[in-house]
Amino acid sequence: GAGVSQTPSNKVTEKGKYVELRCDPISGHTALYWYRQSLGQGPEFLIYFQGTGAADDSGLPNDRFFAVRPEGSVSTLKIQRTERGDSAVYLCATGSSGANVLTFGAGSRLTVL
Amino acid sequence: TQLLEQSPQFLSIQEGENLTVYCNSSSVFSSLQWYRQEPGEGPVLLVTVVTGGEVKKLKRLTFQFGDARKDSSLHITAAQPGDTGLYLCAGRNTGGFKTIFGAGTRLFVKA
Repeated sequence: GAGVSQTPSNKVTEKGKYVELRCDPISGHTALYWYRQSLGQGPEFLIYFQGTGAADDSGLPNDRFFAVRPEGSVSTLKIQRTERGDSAVYLCATGSSGANVLTFGAGSRLTVL
Repeated sequence: TQLLEQSPQFLSIQEGENLTVYCNSSSVFSSLQWYRQEPGEGPVLLVTVVTGGEVKKLKRLTFQFGDARKDSSLHITAAQPGDTGLYLCAGRNTGGFKTIFGAGTRLFVKA
């Protein structure tokens, strides 16, 4: 597509529920990043994919968070047993190989009640 | 742990004024970028600097990368209300692909 598409744009869930956030990258972009942005803060790195593999997942806060990119295109960020502290905007960014230029999606705003 | 500190955190100025925002770190970065983010949107890349001492200009915006590649500044001349937004600096670590962000400077330009 023309840009990075993230769905849903807004998600409200209850504490303890499971959520999935989807990122559709720009066609041909092999690098894909997930970031989390809390109110008043800059984006916080979560995970980086090069192709299908997670090249760096050092930013995932705990084992409730998991991300996949099975075909090297669409990625899904999965959060189990959500907590109120998970509330944030989850941003996806993609780039060509080397990925020095990142294009961000508009984000998925997650609210955990 | 690599950290990028931005200052000031918040800046409110009148249209026509000049301003400078700073991005500092104790770590060396292979490249440093500046992004602008508006509410409800993702950050949009403004510029990438890769060489120590490099200066880049984008209309009324001037970006400088420190000689040691640990810090950067963004100078805006004759600010306009359309410059309002969150300005983020981001650094790529040497030898890797992880890009980390500072907390941002929120700029408000009053007409």
